[in-house]
Amino acid sequence: SQTIHQWPATLVQPVGSPLSLECTVEGTSNPNLYWYRQAAGRGLQLLFYSVGIGQISSEVPQNLSASRPQDRQFILSSKKLLLSDSGFYLCAWSTGGNTGELFFGEGSRLTVL
Amino acid sequence: LAKTTQPISMDSYEGQEVNITCSHNNIATNDYITWYQQFPSQGPRFIIQGYKTKVTNEVASLFIPADRKSSTLSLPRVSLSDTAVYYCLVGLRGRDDKIIFGKGTRLHILP
Repeated sequence: SQTIHQWPATLVQPVGSPLSLECTVEGTSNPNLYWYRQAAGRGLQLLFYSVGIGQISSEVPQNLSASRPQDRQFILSSKKLLLSDSGFYLCAWSTGGNTGELFFGEGSRLTVL
Repeated sequence: LAKTTQPISMDSYEGQEVNITCSHNNIATNDYITWYQQFPSQGPRFIIQGYKTKVTNEVASLFIPADRKSSTLSLPRVSLSDTAVYYCLVGLRGRDDKIIFGKGTRLHILP
């Protein structure tokens, strides 16, 4: 069966510090991968998505970046965190297509102080 | 991607049937309708998906009229644990497989 893991689960970082969140998927190949962010009490914001190794599409953030070094690994990074980067970060995978279900990881809660 | 409109919030009582309607006037021929449920501090979870008429699973039913410009998620006999945010997604995701969530409906079940 397929599983998705992301870490760390909780992170407290000072403003201006770097960030690295990792996500791995097991039990499937060539998944579509997604990073979402959810601020407190708000909806899900799509940050990045990838349909293959090295293929990254960015939706919004300018101080965040994503990489897909391997087929089932998706990494979210920042060189300098902002206060507004605080939130709940969710990695997800899908088989793609118009009926593909999205499967989410456990989430990473980031607090920037 | 078809734009969707859902009520921002709804309240109901335990044991009642809850119906959440989603409007998607510009749904395309190939679009499926998918509903997700999200609890606090968790990622959304797939509930049900349909293309037309009615779909039922162990969790919910999805009613889609003939014109497919709206859909209704029906939760039978809700309990307190059904308190969550419910998202309606519509659309062939296109060549780039982008998936965007709307604001969802915050359902609050009262005892």
